[in-house]
Amino acid sequence: ELKVEQNPLFLSMQEGKNYTIYCNYSTTSDRLYWYRQDPGKSLESLFVLLSNGAVKQEGRLMASLDTKARLSTLHITAAVHDLSATYFCAVDHNFGNEKLTFGTGTRLTIIP
Amino acid sequence: GAVVSQHPSRVICKSGTSVKIECRSLDFQATTMFWYRQFPKQSLMLMATSNEGSKATYEQGVEKDKFLINHASLTLSTLTVTSAHPEDSSFYICSARDGAGTEAFFGQGTRLTVV
Repeated sequence: ELKVEQNPLFLSMQEGKNYTIYCNYSTTSDRLYWYRQDPGKSLESLFVLLSNGAVKQEGRLMASLDTKARLSTLHITAAVHDLSATYFCAVDHNFGNEKLTFGTGTRLTIIP
Repeated sequence: GAVVSQHPSRVICKSGTSVKIECRSLDFQATTMFWYRQFPKQSLMLMATSNEGSKATYEQGVEKDKFLINHASLTLSTLTVTSAHPEDSSFYICSARDGAGTEAFFGQGTRLTVV
């Protein structure tokens, strides 16, 4: 059974600071996704990581994937209040039309 | 990116009644769609995989007679919560992969409240 763990579960950080969210998963997979969820809303796709060593950046967020370590990171640079949300990683069970298993989520609060 | 539309966004129903939630892929065909449930402050849990033209595949612990899934066309899957009870109150989200299967797209979600 595929298990996906994120840490930390809760993160409160000051504006302007940097931090990293970690996503570990238990079985082999070459596809990992990061999503953002605002309260009461559905998921917003942030990154799709499709291979070992993949690195993607969008604004203040950067995601990477190490399939050998079964680890993905979401790095936040110089946080701003607008980044406050819950972030989920999700791992693909197999290539193609397969289901995703979601991590536990990280609730990020940016403090002015 | 591809668009998945879910309807309704909110529904309140009485205990014992049934509620149908629709999930449509608007600009692509989806042979497979996924239904998730999310309780407050928790992660998304997969309920079932909806397969066009065949029976849905349910995850362990999900009652297939309670959560009826129909995927009658390549652009529409429906989830019917039958004989709803307050413990079924939750946020239900559908998802579909585009043709390439690379990315998953999510509907807007349906907030179900059973009173």
